[in-house]
Amino acid sequence: QVQLQQWGAGLLKPSETLSLTCGVYGGSFSGYYWSWIRQSPGMGLEWVGEINHSGSTNYNPSLKSRVTMSVDTSVDTSTNQFSLRLSSVTAADTAVYYCARHVKSSGSLHYFDYWGQGTLVTVSS
Amino acid sequence: DIQMTQSPSSLSASVGDRVTITCRASQSISSFLNWYQQKPGRAPRLLIYAASSLQLGVPSRFTGSGSGTDFTLTISSLQPEDFATYYCQQSYSILKTFGQGTRLDIK
Repeated sequence: QVQLQQWGAGLLKPSETLSLTCGVYGGSFSGYYWSWIRQSPGMGLEWVGEINHSGSTNYNPSLKSRVTMSVDTSVDTSTNQFSLRLSSVTAADTAVYYCARHVKSSGSLHYFDYWGQGTLVTVSS
Repeated sequence: DIQMTQSPSSLSASVGDRVTITCRASQSISSFLNWYQQKPGRAPRLLIYAASSLQLGVPSRFTGSGSGTDFTLTISSLQPEDFATYYCQQSYSILKTFGQGTRLDIK
C-alpha cells in the first residue's frame, strides 16, 4: 500500500523560503511523477509542479521563478522522498500544501491517485 | 492555461437523490479529465479518471462521462457519506488545472 507522508515548517515570515518534504512509503518511486499541489480559499486547488525519479521537473509558470523541487532516493530504495522549496514567500503563498503521486500511463490515464495528508503553511509577519 | 469551469458551485440534495455536476474545459482536453471528492480537513480522493473510469474502491453509484470540452459526474443515489466538495481536473496540459469545486450539501 502506497502512503505519502509530508512534513515541513508551517509558519514563515515574508521573504523566507518554504521547505516541505514528502516521503513515499511502499510502491515504486520510478515510473511516476511526484507533484506538489496547494489549496487556498482564494485560489482553490493549484498545481505547483512535479518531478520524476530522475529529477526531471515541470513547474507552474506562475511560480517557476521561485520553485525548486528535488528527489532523494535512498540507497535501499524502500523509502524515497521529494522536496519543495518556494523562495521569497508572501501572504499569497499561505495555503495547505499537498504532495501527490501523478500517474502518466497510456492514453489519457493521467491522474493523481495518492495524496499526502497536507501541511498548512502560513506566511505572516 | 486551460480553464476548468464547474457548475453548479453549490448544490443541496437529499439522501437517495440523483445529482449531476458539470465541468467544462476552455479547450478540448480529449478524455484527460479526472474527478475528486474532498471532505473538510482531508486531501482530495480520486473518484473517476480518464473521464469515465472508476477508481478502485469507489462505489459504482459514481459515474463519469464526456469528452472534448464537456464532462459530467453523476451520483446515482446519494448516500450520507457523499456530502462533500467535488473537483474536476485536467491532465491534458503539463500545467494541470482544477475546477473551482462544487459543494454538495444536505438539503
